[in-house]
Amino acid sequence: QSALTQPASVSGSPGQSITISCTGTSSDVGGYNYVSWYQQHPGKAPKLMIYDVGNRPSGVSNRFSASKSGNTASLTISGLQTEDEADYYCSSYTSSSTLDVLFGGGTKLTVL
Amino acid sequence: EVQLVESGGGLVQPGGSLRLSCAASGFTVSSNYMIWVRQAPGKGLECVSFIYSGGSTYYADSVKGRFTISRDNSKNTLYLQMNSLRAEDTAMYYCAREFLGKRAFDIWGQGTMVSVSS
Repeated sequence: QSALTQPASVSGSPGQSITISCTGTSSDVGGYNYVSWYQQHPGKAPKLMIYDVGNRPSGVSNRFSASKSGNTASLTISGLQTEDEADYYCSSYTSSSTLDVLFGGGTKLTVL
Repeated sequence: EVQLVESGGGLVQPGGSLRLSCAASGFTVSSNYMIWVRQAPGKGLECVSFIYSGGSTYYADSVKGRFTISRDNSKNTLYLQMNSLRAEDTAMYYCAREFLGKRAFDIWGQGTMVSVSS
């Protein structure tokens, strides 16, 4: 199955806000509220930042927020900090495959 | 502490085999949906296989027939048996636990590197 579509890179300055998009289909992002987002620093395992489209696990900063419209989900990071520089991946449940989890291709966030 | 610790990676020749282990602590592997995810060097995340708490297993098309996911309840450990390895299987392999049935993964291991090369 095809991966979800994310921009390869985004950038922002400290204190600014950025948004990362994640586009799928009605069989995944658009059809279910099982969209999640992960942050991955170099050489580290992914970290869950958002689940169920817009919910944050305990301990995740409220500078991270997310939403969905149609087949596109979005992650917004406000008040950018240097430690936010990382790769970000979206993920979604998919009904189009028995292996029912899809990941996006990842977005490299650079904090200038 | 709730954690996952992988082991078993290494350098193997094409056509060879490896068994990855993922030892859990702080929770019960058999009560959870568990997944293996891999990441080729410089690339994104790819689901490889998962196992439901009930024992059903599923695989990516790219590994079907070559990889087998299993668990040992007495050792609270998840496994990935990888046979007929190919160069394109070269990646960091992570195990992870699903979070509250949300198809989101809250606990990840540190990863174990598999390199397939002659």
